[in-house]
Amino acid sequence: AQSVAQPEDQVNVAEGNPLTVKCTYSVSGNPYLFWYVQYPNRGLQFLLKYITGDNLVKGSYGFEAEFNKSQTSFHLKKPSALVSDSALYFCAVRDMLQGNTPLVFGKGTRLSVIA
Amino acid sequence: GAGVSQSPSNKVTEKGKDVELRCDPISGHTALYWYRQRLGQGLEFLIYFQGNSAPDKSGLPSDRFSAERTGESVSTLTIQRTQQEDSAVYLCASSLMGQGGNEQFFGPGTRLTVL
Repeated sequence: AQSVAQPEDQVNVAEGNPLTVKCTYSVSGNPYLFWYVQYPNRGLQFLLKYITGDNLVKGSYGFEAEFNKSQTSFHLKKPSALVSDSALYFCAVRDMLQGNTPLVFGKGTRLSVIA
Repeated sequence: GAGVSQSPSNKVTEKGKDVELRCDPISGHTALYWYRQRLGQGLEFLIYFQGNSAPDKSGLPSDRFSAERTGESVSTLTIQRTQQEDSAVYLCASSLMGQGGNEQFFGPGTRLTVL
């Protein structure tokens, strides 16, 4: 079975400070990993994904994430947070052996960036 | 081209009525997914269409829920005899076929309120 854990319901950071949103996963085989962001009353927007290759993945809006196989983690990071980054962030996983099956999502982490 | 579109954006209905939600995927996307997002919660998988294969209905919560897809285009999610616990945002997503590393593109959702 596949699963994703986002251990923090809420993360608060000051504008200009680095931010980290944590994600750990569980799959039988090797994972494809994704981050999405959801702004109020909007659908989910794709931020970045890890498929293979470099463990550090760069995505939209200055976000990046690092795949760590030994720790089964895929934490989302940004060097300098903006107030406009305040939103709900979802981590998702799919087992590489499962083809195009639906992504399994974490429960989400609400990021609040304070000016 | 355009992204995934959903209609209506909002639907208020009375308990016991049937509702139909529509999703127009991105042209050329043969995979289509329906999710439900209850207030303050993560995404709950409902049903998945992949090309001409039989849909994966394993996430449908009861036999009141059904979905259809015409070829590789529009999909409709039908909820019969709605209950208050059906109140949620219903999200549709589509993606290209492939090895599983393709991201899902989400529509803006339909907010369903059952009175």
